[in-house]
Amino acid sequence: DAGITQSPRYKITETGRQVTLMCHQTWSHSYMFWYRQDLGHGLRLIYYSAAADITDKGEVPDGYVVSRSKTENFPLTLESATRSQTSVYFCASIPQGGGSNIQYFGAGTRLSVL
Amino acid sequence: SQKIEQNSEALNIQEGKTATLTCNYTNYSPAYLQWYRQDPGRGPVFLLLIRENEKEKRKERLKVTFDTTLKQSLFHITASQPADSATYLCALERDDKIIFGKGTRLHILP
Repeated sequence: DAGITQSPRYKITETGRQVTLMCHQTWSHSYMFWYRQDLGHGLRLIYYSAAADITDKGEVPDGYVVSRSKTENFPLTLESATRSQTSVYFCASIPQGGGSNIQYFGAGTRLSVL
Repeated sequence: SQKIEQNSEALNIQEGKTATLTCNYTNYSPAYLQWYRQDPGRGPVFLLLIRENEKEKRKERLKVTFDTTLKQSLFHITASQPADSATYLCALERDDKIIFGKGTRLHILP
């Protein structure tokens, strides 16, 4: 039972490069989320998806793009990385909307933009 | 907009004592309030959930209270152990929107 996995775990890139962070879940959960976690800010929602081909912006979406062609995958792309996007990124999922939405998190991707 | 406040300073508690963490919120009452644990280098892990019509919830050594009048939740760990050292996050949910607090670091001193 792999659950929810993120790759890579660590990534160093340069300003202006495109970077894609991967998230894969084996539970067939409907909802998936991308957060970034920074000191002093806690977890902030970037994008979320209620189902395949349905995505919506969160609190801090600028500079990021998501897609969800399959239920189990929810990649996050930084089209042109900036230093301010240096952060730890977490993917999460929940079985369905409504009710008590316990979130299941991946282990995170630590991204450094030089 | 909804804001969540958790103690930004680390909390140091002697082993065996009860650790109490606070989560305060502004504006509307959430339908659910959740507590998560996060260890260094890992993602948050769900611990407990309490509904707006519940006053208290327990799970083993953990207890959560929810006071909608004070707009506050308290998270208690009784008989604390060094292994309980971690960052604890509270999260509020209403209408399918979840907002996380910044977390409180807890150190249990042996």
